[in-house]
Amino acid sequence: ETGVTQTPRHLVMGMTNKKSLKCEQHLGHNAMYWYKQSAKKPLELMFVYSLEERVENNSVPSRFSPECPNSSHLFLHLHTLQPEDSALYLCASSQSLLGNNEQFFGPGTRLTVL
Amino acid sequence: GENVEQHPSTLSVQEGDSAVIKCTYSDSASNYFPWYKQELGKRPQLIIDIRSNVGEKKDQRIAVTLNKTAKHFSLHITETQPEDSAVYFCAASIKINKFYFGSGTKLNVKP
Repeated sequence: ETGVTQTPRHLVMGMTNKKSLKCEQHLGHNAMYWYKQSAKKPLELMFVYSLEERVENNSVPSRFSPECPNSSHLFLHLHTLQPEDSALYLCASSQSLLGNNEQFFGPGTRLTVL
Repeated sequence: GENVEQHPSTLSVQEGDSAVIKCTYSDSASNYFPWYKQELGKRPQLIIDIRSNVGEKKDQRIAVTLNKTAKHFSLHITETQPEDSAVYFCAASIKINKFYFGSGTKLNVKP
């Protein structure tokens, strides 16, 4: 796949595990985002990065820890999650954070917390 | 922050009929309104967007209208086809590229 890729596509973890989600964009974009998509709820913005700097943290619990080592890669580190954290986690990127421009989404990671 | 509400949550139409999905927003400073389509098991993709300086925009069978005074915007799909079946999300953003999404509308087009 080109554009925005995410790995793994599916993840099952116990509440005591530590795992990481990876996102990579091949579009030369400067802004990247993490969203949580739960059934029958709006897409929830979790984190926003612009030029590798975190500019938004929407009151997300500390058991979710983002990392953006460069403008092409974004990680979401997970530890001691709860069953209610089970959801589809979507990564997106856009040309810039300034102004209004299209966000390109990855295919998502389907996370199940047992 | 911005609050976006979307209706209906599900919509079923016969092939060839029109479909309309409506969204309202709370912050009058919102100036960009994209619509995303998410097919089952796939990623959301932008299908059309409108900026606050425009009242209507059309792209083939899809159109979006914006009423800034009433703070609502709508997606219109004409001559619906089975491949239009998907979940549609509206969103609003204020100046920077931070989107507030509606809760989604599941559109089912019956052949």
